[in-house]
Amino acid sequence: GENVEQHPSTLSVQEGDSAVIKCTYSDSASNYFPWYKQELGKRPQLIIDIRSNVGEKKDQRIAVTLNKTAKHFSLHITETQPEDSAVYFCAVANSGYALNFGKGTSLLVTP
Amino acid sequence: DTAVSQTPKYLVTQMGNDKSIKCEQNLGHDTMYWYKQDSKKFLKIMFSYNNKELIINETVPNRFSPKSPDKAHLNLHINSLELGDSAVYFCASSRQVLDYGYTFGSGTRLTVV
Repeated sequence: GENVEQHPSTLSVQEGDSAVIKCTYSDSASNYFPWYKQELGKRPQLIIDIRSNVGEKKDQRIAVTLNKTAKHFSLHITETQPEDSAVYFCAVANSGYALNFGKGTSLLVTP
Repeated sequence: DTAVSQTPKYLVTQMGNDKSIKCEQNLGHDTMYWYKQDSKKFLKIMFSYNNKELIINETVPNRFSPKSPDKAHLNLHINSLELGDSAVYFCASSRQVLDYGYTFGSGTRLTVV
């Protein structure tokens, strides 16, 4: 199946700073790249996604960038707040029938 | 109204027992999934059904048997539970196959003792 690498596994930032999480994938046929946020004890929830025909997408303080040539995409969170603390997962879809998830990044935003 | 609901939320059982987890979605989606999230938070696909038909069956022990009586329900039955089955099991649904906008259920935390 699709190999999805996610880095870093943990990230600690101060409130107000930016956070960047990066994922790489192996299958050049991959065409959909979502990011999910999972708070402690809760379900994963989609926060932003991007398709292969777009290079960047922004929604308020979060943005995703995609480099298809290098096969990587990144989540950018600006002006971080304590409520951004959670585990973030990237995922990749290709021609398979399910999303393949990265191993997650535990983000801690300290006041 | 909960879009994707799973029951039970918590399940503690002894090794060797058989248990079931139920999932229902009221979104009118065609496709449903079971994912396993282990203690390291890794989310791994187990099964997927599209309109009651099995379309993904990953390398999961055959002690795990999914059943989809209709497209709104996807249940997971586990026989002869083992310690390594302890995990959080998430059900999810999407509008149709190859539409990856998942809505996850709230998860079932299974603990095998």
